[in-house]
Amino acid sequence: GIQVEQSPPDLILQEGANSTLRCNFSDSVNNLQWFHQNPWGQLINLFYIPSGTKQNGRLSATTVATERYSLLYISSSQTTDSGVYFCAVLDSNYQLIWGAGTKLIIKP
Amino acid sequence: DAGVIQSPRHEVTEMGQEVTLRCKLISGHNSLFWYRQTMMRGLELLIYFNNNVPIDDSGMPEDRFSAKMPNASFSTLKIQPSEPRDSAVYFCASSFRPNNEQFFGPGTRLTVL
Repeated sequence: GIQVEQSPPDLILQEGANSTLRCNFSDSVNNLQWFHQNPWGQLINLFYIPSGTKQNGRLSATTVATERYSLLYISSSQTTDSGVYFCAVLDSNYQLIWGAGTKLIIKP
Repeated sequence: DAGVIQSPRHEVTEMGQEVTLRCKLISGHNSLFWYRQTMMRGLELLIYFNNNVPIDDSGMPEDRFSAKMPNASFSTLKIQPSEPRDSAVYFCASSFRPNNEQFFGPGTRLTVL
Protein backbone atom coordinates (compact mmCIF):
# COMPACT_ATOMS: atom_id res chain seq x y z
CA GLY A 1 0.00 0.00 0.00
CA ILE A 2 0.88 3.66 -0.14
CA GLN A 3 3.39 4.87 2.44
CA VAL A 4 3.26 8.44 3.75
CA GLU A 5 6.23 9.93 5.55
CA GLN A 6 6.32 13.31 7.24
CA SER A 7 9.28 15.31 8.40
CA PRO A 8 10.41 16.57 10.77
CA PRO A 9 8.59 14.61 13.49
CA ASP A 10 8.98 17.46 15.97
CA LEU A 11 9.61 21.16 15.56
CA ILE A 12 10.03 23.85 18.22
CA LEU A 13 10.09 27.47 17.10
CA GLN A 14 9.85 30.95 18.51
CA GLU A 15 6.81 33.02 17.69
CA GLY A 16 7.33 34.87 14.42
CA ALA A 17 9.51 32.20 12.81
CA ASN A 18 8.77 30.50 9.49
CA SER A 19 8.66 26.75 8.95
CA THR A 20 8.40 24.15 6.21
CA LEU A 21 6.83 20.74 6.77
CA ARG A 22 7.32 17.96 4.28
CA CYS A 23 5.18 15.00 3.20
CA ASN A 24 6.53 12.25 0.94
CA PHE A 25 4.30 9.56 -0.52
CA SER A 26 5.24 6.34 -2.25
CA ASP A 27 2.75 6.20 -5.13
CA SER A 28 0.69 8.49 -7.32
CA VAL A 29 -2.38 9.90 -5.61
CA ASN A 30 -5.54 11.73 -6.63
CA ASN A 31 -6.18 13.39 -3.32
CA LEU A 32 -3.88 14.92 -0.72
CA GLN A 33 -5.01 16.82 2.34
CA TRP A 34 -3.20 18.74 5.08
CA PHE A 35 -4.80 18.91 8.53
CA HIS A 36 -4.00 20.68 11.77
CA GLN A 37 -4.92 18.84 14.95
CA ASN A 38 -5.07 21.48 17.63
CA PRO A 39 -4.29 20.86 21.31
CA TRP A 40 -8.00 20.19 21.91
CA GLY A 41 -7.91 17.33 19.43
CA GLN A 42 -9.94 18.88 16.63
CA LEU A 43 -8.89 18.05 13.06
CA ILE A 44 -9.00 21.20 10.98
CA ASN A 45 -8.80 21.12 7.20
CA LEU A 46 -5.96 23.26 5.91
CA PHE A 47 -5.62 22.35 2.25
CA TYR A 48 -7.00 19.93 -0.30
CA ILE A 49 -4.11 19.94 -2.74
CA PRO A 50 -3.54 16.94 -5.05
CA SER A 51 -1.27 19.16 -7.14
CA GLY A 52 -0.16 22.78 -7.50
CA THR A 53 0.08 25.57 -4.97
CA LYS A 54 -2.49 27.14 -2.69
CA GLN A 55 -2.33 29.91 -0.13
CA ASN A 56 -4.55 30.78 2.81
CA GLY A 57 -3.31 33.68 4.89
CA ARG A 58 -0.02 32.80 6.55
CA LEU A 59 -0.21 29.21 5.31
CA SER A 60 0.56 27.89 1.89
CA ALA A 61 1.06 24.44 0.39
CA THR A 62 2.64 22.99 -2.71
CA THR A 63 2.24 19.47 -4.06
CA VAL A 64 4.51 18.14 -6.80
CA ALA A 65 2.61 15.02 -7.73
CA THR A 66 5.17 13.80 -10.27
CA GLU A 67 7.86 13.82 -7.58
CA ARG A 68 5.53 12.53 -4.87
CA TYR A 69 5.88 15.17 -2.22
CA SER A 70 4.00 18.05 -0.68
CA LEU A 71 5.20 20.97 1.42
CA LEU A 72 3.32 23.05 3.97
CA TYR A 73 4.69 26.51 4.72
CA ILE A 74 3.82 28.42 7.85
CA SER A 75 4.99 32.02 7.99
CA SER A 76 5.15 34.36 10.99
CA SER A 77 4.21 31.55 13.40
CA GLN A 78 1.81 32.26 16.24
CA THR A 79 1.28 30.26 19.42
CA THR A 80 -2.12 29.18 18.08
CA ASP A 81 -0.30 27.33 15.29
CA SER A 82 0.89 24.77 17.85
CA GLY A 83 -0.38 21.23 17.42
CA VAL A 84 0.15 18.30 15.10
CA TYR A 85 0.12 18.70 11.32
CA PHE A 86 -0.97 15.67 9.33
CA CYS A 87 -0.66 14.91 5.67
CA ALA A 88 -3.07 12.28 4.29
CA VAL A 89 -3.43 10.79 0.82
CA LEU A 90 -6.31 8.80 -0.65
CA ASP A 91 -5.57 5.30 -1.89
CA SER A 92 -7.41 3.39 -4.61
CA ASN A 93 -9.87 2.02 -2.03
CA TYR A 94 -10.86 5.57 -1.02
CA GLN A 95 -9.06 5.18 2.28
CA LEU A 96 -7.07 8.14 3.65
CA ILE A 97 -3.53 6.99 4.44
CA TRP A 98 -2.07 9.20 7.15
CA GLY A 99 1.45 10.28 7.90
CA ALA A 100 2.66 10.12 11.48
CA GLY A 101 2.41 13.90 11.76
CA THR A 102 4.72 16.78 12.65
CA LYS A 103 4.32 18.04 16.20
CA LEU A 104 4.83 21.81 16.17
CA ILE A 105 5.37 23.87 19.31
CA ILE A 106 5.47 27.65 19.00
CA LYS A 107 6.99 29.37 22.01
CA PRO A 108 5.92 32.95 22.90
CA ASP B 1 -23.30 26.07 7.05
CA ALA B 2 -22.78 23.68 9.96
CA GLY B 3 -19.92 21.24 9.74
CA VAL B 4 -20.01 17.58 10.68
CA ILE B 5 -21.76 17.19 14.02
CA GLN B 6 -20.91 14.42 16.48
CA SER B 7 -22.45 13.47 19.79
CA PRO B 8 -21.69 12.93 22.53
CA ARG B 9 -18.36 14.78 22.74
CA HIS B 10 -17.27 12.72 25.71
CA GLU B 11 -18.47 9.34 26.90
CA VAL B 12 -17.34 7.44 29.98
CA THR B 13 -18.79 3.99 30.45
CA GLU B 14 -18.08 0.71 32.13
CA MET B 15 -16.85 -2.43 30.45
CA GLY B 16 -19.71 -4.46 29.03
CA GLN B 17 -22.03 -1.52 28.42
CA GLU B 18 -23.39 -0.58 25.02
CA VAL B 19 -22.09 2.65 23.50
CA THR B 20 -23.69 4.54 20.62
CA LEU B 21 -21.89 7.34 18.84
CA ARG B 22 -23.76 9.66 16.48
CA CYS B 23 -22.79 11.67 13.44
CA LYS B 24 -24.62 14.15 11.20
CA LEU B 25 -23.11 14.74 7.77
CA ILE B 26 -22.64 18.08 6.09
CA SER B 27 -25.72 18.83 4.03
CA GLY B 28 -25.30 17.59 0.45
CA HIS B 29 -22.48 15.18 1.23
CA ASN B 30 -22.95 11.58 0.15
CA SER B 31 -19.97 9.81 1.73
CA LEU B 32 -19.50 9.12 5.42
CA PHE B 33 -16.35 7.82 7.13
CA TRP B 34 -15.81 6.59 10.70
CA TYR B 35 -12.24 6.78 12.08
CA ARG B 36 -10.64 5.89 15.39
CA GLN B 37 -7.56 7.62 16.79
CA THR B 38 -5.29 6.15 19.46
CA MET B 39 -1.77 7.01 20.53
CA MET B 40 -0.53 3.56 19.52
CA ARG B 41 -2.16 3.24 16.10
CA GLY B 42 -2.87 6.80 15.02
CA LEU B 43 -5.90 7.38 12.80
CA GLU B 44 -7.57 4.27 11.41
CA LEU B 45 -10.52 4.04 9.04
CA LEU B 46 -13.19 1.78 10.49
CA ILE B 47 -15.89 1.91 7.81
CA TYR B 48 -17.18 4.15 5.07
CA PHE B 49 -20.55 4.57 3.38
CA ASN B 50 -21.47 6.00 0.02
CA ASN B 51 -25.10 6.94 -0.61
CA ASN B 52 -26.10 5.20 2.64
CA VAL B 53 -24.52 1.89 1.60
CA PRO B 54 -21.53 0.45 3.51
CA ILE B 55 -18.71 0.12 0.99
CA ASP B 56 -15.71 -0.98 3.05
CA ASP B 57 -15.94 -2.22 6.63
CA SER B 58 -12.60 -4.02 6.66
CA GLY B 59 -11.35 -1.70 9.39
CA MET B 60 -14.07 -2.61 11.86
CA PRO B 61 -12.14 -4.37 14.65
CA GLU B 62 -14.62 -7.14 15.41
CA ASP B 63 -18.28 -8.07 15.62
CA ARG B 64 -18.77 -5.92 18.67
CA PHE B 65 -18.67 -2.91 16.35
CA SER B 66 -21.52 -2.04 14.01
CA ALA B 67 -22.38 1.06 11.98
CA LYS B 68 -25.55 2.16 10.24
CA MET B 69 -26.86 4.98 8.10
CA PRO B 70 -30.62 5.05 8.65
CA ASN B 71 -30.89 8.06 6.33
CA ALA B 72 -28.74 10.19 4.05
CA SER B 73 -27.64 12.63 6.73
CA PHE B 74 -27.14 10.56 9.87
CA SER B 75 -25.01 7.64 11.06
CA THR B 76 -24.44 5.68 14.24
CA LEU B 77 -21.50 3.62 15.42
CA LYS B 78 -22.37 1.11 18.10
CA ILE B 79 -20.06 -0.90 20.34
CA GLN B 80 -21.67 -3.76 22.24
CA PRO B 81 -20.27 -4.88 24.61
CA SER B 82 -17.60 -2.23 25.14
CA GLU B 83 -14.11 -3.09 26.40
CA PRO B 84 -11.33 -0.92 27.89
CA ARG B 85 -9.26 -1.34 24.69
CA ASP B 86 -12.01 0.48 22.79
CA SER B 87 -11.03 3.70 24.58
CA ALA B 88 -10.08 6.19 21.86
CA VAL B 89 -11.27 9.27 20.03
CA TYR B 90 -13.80 8.40 17.34
CA PHE B 91 -14.09 10.78 14.41
CA CYS B 92 -16.73 10.97 11.75
CA ALA B 93 -15.96 12.66 8.41
CA SER B 94 -18.03 13.41 5.34
CA SER B 95 -17.35 14.29 1.73
CA PHE B 96 -19.35 15.00 -1.39
CA ARG B 97 -17.98 11.85 -3.05
CA PRO B 98 -15.54 9.19 -1.75
CA ASN B 99 -12.59 10.75 -3.60
CA ASN B 100 -13.30 14.34 -2.58
CA GLU B 101 -12.05 16.39 0.35
CA GLN B 102 -13.09 14.95 3.71
CA PHE B 103 -14.30 17.18 6.55
CA PHE B 104 -14.07 15.95 10.12
CA GLY B 105 -16.34 16.33 13.09
CA PRO B 106 -15.03 17.31 16.52
CA GLY B 107 -14.76 13.68 17.63
CA THR B 108 -16.12 11.66 20.54
CA ARG B 109 -13.65 10.84 23.30
CA LEU B 110 -14.64 7.41 24.61
CA THR B 111 -13.33 6.03 27.87
CA VAL B 112 -14.28 2.49 28.86
CA LEU B 113 -13.45 1.67 32.47
